Amino acid sequence: GQQLNQSPQSMFIQEGEDVSMNCTSSSIFNTWLWYKQDPGEGPVLLIALYKAGELTSNGRLTAQFGITRKDSFLNISASIPSDVGIYFCAGQRYSGNTPLVFGKGTRLSVIA
Amino acid sequence: GAVVSQHPSWVICKSGTSVKIECRSLDFQATTMFWYRQFPKQSLMLMATSNEGSKATYEQGVEKDKFLINHASLTLSTLTVTSAHPEDSSFYICSAGGLAGHVTYEQYFGPGTRLTVT
Repeated sequence: GQQLNQSPQSMFIQEGEDVSMNCTSSSIFNTWLWYKQDPGEGPVLLIALYKAGELTSNGRLTAQFGITRKDSFLNISASIPSDVGIYFCAGQRYSGNTPLVFGKGTRLSVIA
Repeated sequence: GAVVSQHPSWVICKSGTSVKIECRSLDFQATTMFWYRQFPKQSLMLMATSNEGSKATYEQGVEKDKFLINHASLTLSTLTVTSAHPEDSSFYICSAGGLAGHVTYEQYFGPGTRLTVT
């Protein structure tokens, strides 16, 4: 099945540093979502973006829906140890009850 | 957010046996349920989409006779892995979609089921 291009694949950062990851697609999506997955658990929604150009924050997290509707980025500011995990972007081609296409994930490690 | 549960959370079965995984939306009506599979260190890959009362739609490469999906009610969907083999060992995650008290349609993921076939 299709997957989105997500980078970087993994990151090792110091506590307190900012983090940025992004996702691109060759096709347009009408919704972009960012999830965090801890080991052995299901993904948890962090931020949902519904309009091209939209910039949305959730605490220390900020995400943007690219104007071309083919990309999105997620920033985490002032990282803390509990930010460790795998972050997935997901795109939804049509809103409503249609499935999500996931990126390959970014594995984040935070060094205290 | 809305709550989606999965049962069991993990299961070990012998090769050739069948395993049923349940996905329940606890506090909202899920008109659509999605089943994903995730192999170690990989992303979630969609297996099938099921609408309540209808036959599931399977993604290319997913055997519908092997992965039986039932979505008989707005709060329950089941995935049965028939004649399981070691290569079916994976993390199976469901997602339930509905309004859940919001204006927009949302999808909520279950906690996943770890299947190990020996």
